[in-house]
Amino acid sequence: AQKITQTQPGMFVQEKEAVTLDCTYDTSDPSYGLFWYKQPSSGEMIFLIYQGSYDQQNATEGRYSLNFQKARKSANLVISASQLGDSAMYFCAMRTGNQFYFGTGTSLTVIP
Amino acid sequence: DAGITQSPRHKVTETGTPVTLRCHQTENHRYMYWYRQDPGHGLRLIHYSYGVKDTDKGEVSDGYSVSRSKTEDFLLTLESATSSQTSVYFCAISAGSGSIPATDTQYFGPGTRLTVL
Repeated sequence: AQKITQTQPGMFVQEKEAVTLDCTYDTSDPSYGLFWYKQPSSGEMIFLIYQGSYDQQNATEGRYSLNFQKARKSANLVISASQLGDSAMYFCAMRTGNQFYFGTGTSLTVIP
Repeated sequence: DAGITQSPRHKVTETGTPVTLRCHQTENHRYMYWYRQDPGHGLRLIHYSYGVKDTDKGEVSDGYSVSRSKTEDFLLTLESATSSQTSVYFCAISAGSGSIPATDTQYFGPGTRLTVL
């Protein structure tokens, strides 16, 4: 069975500091994709970053990087130099075949 | 931004009434999805479509039906709404890259907040 686990319901980080949001996944499919989405209080789902199961290097998009550890089945999101606008819910997701599976999310609060 | 709209954006209805939510895309993407979002559950897939008139069930499909008669429209119907279907409903689309579907990214509509009294 496919599964995504986010074990941190809430996180706090000081402005300008880096923060890591944890995500572990479980699948027997050798081909899959891992995604992170941001959901601010306004409610929209914003795509942040993608990592493919066959990608050798960790994905980076600006201040976002995905720490992909395939043997441990983890896909943690690292946000560098946190900003107040980073306060939001963050969801990890996995695609296998035609379906996406989402974790329960981590609420990040950036403290001035 | 991906061209995805959802209508209505908010709806309040009564138990037992039928409800239809509409998702419209202007991206000509092959795949369309309906999710519901509830506190503590993240997003859960209700149904998805991989082409016109081609649909399949997701994790929480009971009580819901879908139809896709055109590439751009994907309808979600609650035949007889119940209070347990009070939720925020998101539509999403993805292009589907054929030989490497795992590389595809999913983009979301703005959501519909449904309240069943």
